[in-house]
Amino acid sequence: DTGVSQDPRHKITKRGQNVTFRCDPISEHNRLYWYRQTLGQGPEFLTYFQNEAQLEKSRLLSDRFSAERPKGSFSTLEIQRTEQGDSAMYLCASSSPRGRHTGELFFGEGSRLTVL
Amino acid sequence: GEDVEQSLFLSVREGDSSVINCTYTDSSSTYLYWYKQEPGAGLQLLTYIFSNMDMKQDQRLTVLLNKKDKHLSLRIADTQTGDSAIYFCAEKGNAGNMLTFGGGTRLMVKP
Repeated sequence: DTGVSQDPRHKITKRGQNVTFRCDPISEHNRLYWYRQTLGQGPEFLTYFQNEAQLEKSRLLSDRFSAERPKGSFSTLEIQRTEQGDSAMYLCASSSPRGRHTGELFFGEGSRLTVL
Repeated sequence: GEDVEQSLFLSVREGDSSVINCTYTDSSSTYLYWYKQEPGAGLQLLTYIFSNMDMKQDQRLTVLLNKKDKHLSLRIADTQTGDSAIYFCAEKGNAGNMLTFGGGTRLMVKP
């Protein structure tokens, strides 16, 4: 299976701890997105990379959140000093330049974060 | 910011047609999408429509777009139990590369 993969699938942490999620996009996709989805809601955009450049960031991405894509392949999303309100499913998606007119995103299965 | 709204829940009987509705506020939307999310799985693109079209048909799926009213609908003909899932409407505006999603409509198909 060469789809978008995310790790870990589930993370339980205590308030105040740092967590990091990893996303491996589809190999030929140069665009990578992070979204957050809370229970009963649709995905909310967090940030977007084209190759290694972080081109867009949502206001939802507070200074406790940082995302990187150092070599233009996999990406990490780190949350520092987690709060209970950070509990959500963190979704990664990628897209191909060939899809730039349709905007089709290929989503991973997500990383579920629970902050106690 | 831009907003996308959907009703929360729809229940139909197997074999009936389902119609899921969506409204959006971004008048500069270029593409509109329907994604499907099954339990424990990622979102999967079902279909999309370009903003200068008013209808698109793809097998059992029909998308209708009323750009004047900013209303999008997805009709599923001959709905099957395997169609039970959450359906998300999403739009892509002129500015930026991200999609804005609605809150999702949970479709339940009863045998």
